Amino acid sequence: EADIYQTPRYLVIGTGKKITLECSQTMGHDKMYWYQQDPGMELHLIHYSYGVNSTEKGDLSSESTVSRIRTEHFPLTLESARPSHTSQYLCASSDYFRTSQGETQYFGPGTRLLVL
Amino acid sequence: AQKITQTQPGMFVQEKEAVTLDCTYDTSDQSYGLFWYKQPSSGEMIFLIYQGSYDEQNATEGRYSLNFQKARKSANLVISASQLGDSAMYFCAMRAYGGSQGNLIFGKGTKLSVKP
Repeated sequence: EADIYQTPRYLVIGTGKKITLECSQTMGHDKMYWYQQDPGMELHLIHYSYGVNSTEKGDLSSESTVSRIRTEHFPLTLESARPSHTSQYLCASSDYFRTSQGETQYFGPGTRLLVL
Repeated sequence: AQKITQTQPGMFVQEKEAVTLDCTYDTSDQSYGLFWYKQPSSGEMIFLIYQGSYDEQNATEGRYSLNFQKARKSANLVISASQLGDSAMYFCAMRAYGGSQGNLIFGKGTKLSVKP
């Protein structure tokens, strides 16, 4: 059972504001991910991390940034929100060294962001 | 390049009947994993089932089974005895474990509606 949390669940904010989306997991997983998903569409990887002080950009270019100072915490920041950032953001984690289940990714509940 | 194709944008099934959701994949890696996730309208991604490319038997998890046909590069999800709570988006995903150490690639999803 996954224990991964995201806050806020919903966020409505004006253009130009700085926002941070929080993601935490209590499973001790090494690898964490951020995905962006528009309604009814597939997920696109925007950032991932192999562990503390490791961050990598994903397949989809994003203006957001991430940090990984603690194993359990992987926040995503947008310095200046724009309407084009409106989307759902999903955080996930996996145990890099446990391959019995193919390094299954477990997801948080998501944050739905609306930028006005 | 790796790709996941889900050709059924939407499907209907009668409650208590079985349903098959199609997924085909493309990869040049010999070692890979295939995953199915369920996404209810609330937005979270729920892991359902995993199949490794070297697994000889089809994976099963409760009412979910994965019909893995390696030569045809298909990994269809079978849900037996459909329930109203099965109404959701279903995403097929793949990860290659070869030299590229790729991340999860998702299909566009299939929206399943279960009729009472």
